[in-house]
Amino acid sequence: NAGVTQTPKFQVLKTGQSMTLQCAQDMNHEYMSWYRQDPGMGLRLIHYSVGAGITDQGEVPNGYNVSRSTTEDFPLRLLSAAPSQTSVYFCASSPNYNSPLHFGNGTRLTVT
Amino acid sequence: EDQVTQSPEALRLQEGESSSLNCSYTVSGLRGLFWYRQDPGKGPEFLFTLYSAGEEKEKERLKATLTKKESFLHITAPKPEDSATYLCAVQANYGGSQGNLIFGKGTKLSVKP
Repeated sequence: NAGVTQTPKFQVLKTGQSMTLQCAQDMNHEYMSWYRQDPGMGLRLIHYSVGAGITDQGEVPNGYNVSRSTTEDFPLRLLSAAPSQTSVYFCASSPNYNSPLHFGNGTRLTVT
Repeated sequence: EDQVTQSPEALRLQEGESSSLNCSYTVSGLRGLFWYRQDPGKGPEFLFTLYSAGEEKEKERLKATLTKKESFLHITAPKPEDSATYLCAVQANYGGSQGNLIFGKGTKLSVKP
């Protein structure tokens, strides 16, 4: 099992550009989520999904979109990148809402 | 407001010098408390889940304990490979998005040989 795979590992964007961060898991987990990690702050939840076709907002959803068309994939879209979105983004999955999370190794995004 | 506070922010130990990391939390109802380890450039890796006061979990040199307002991660005779950032997260027993994990800022542990 590869676990949770995130691509790309690094990305540099200019302000106003859009992009999609990819996340895939091969553990047949129902629950998937996106977090951002900034220096001096705890991980903050952006969006999450409890199953295919179901998504909901977390603590910091503004500027991000998600969709969940399959159990395996949960892409995160930045619509118009801003410098405030410079961060490390982690995708995580778990069998259900209450189980421990399995994290990917992150995407480091810089917006100039 | 639900909060998770970890202390100290950073801890430097000599190999073999035992110590404890603290995680205090304020949630009206706790569903579970989670400990994770994060190595530089990697995603967090799950260590323990604790559900009720008095519960303890152990794994090698690590032991996690839980009271009604805080959790401790005890590290016995640490080795350099225990160096990492340790994250604590709590899950409240509310429904919907309020039941999602709240993470602390972490404790960065360095163990010198």
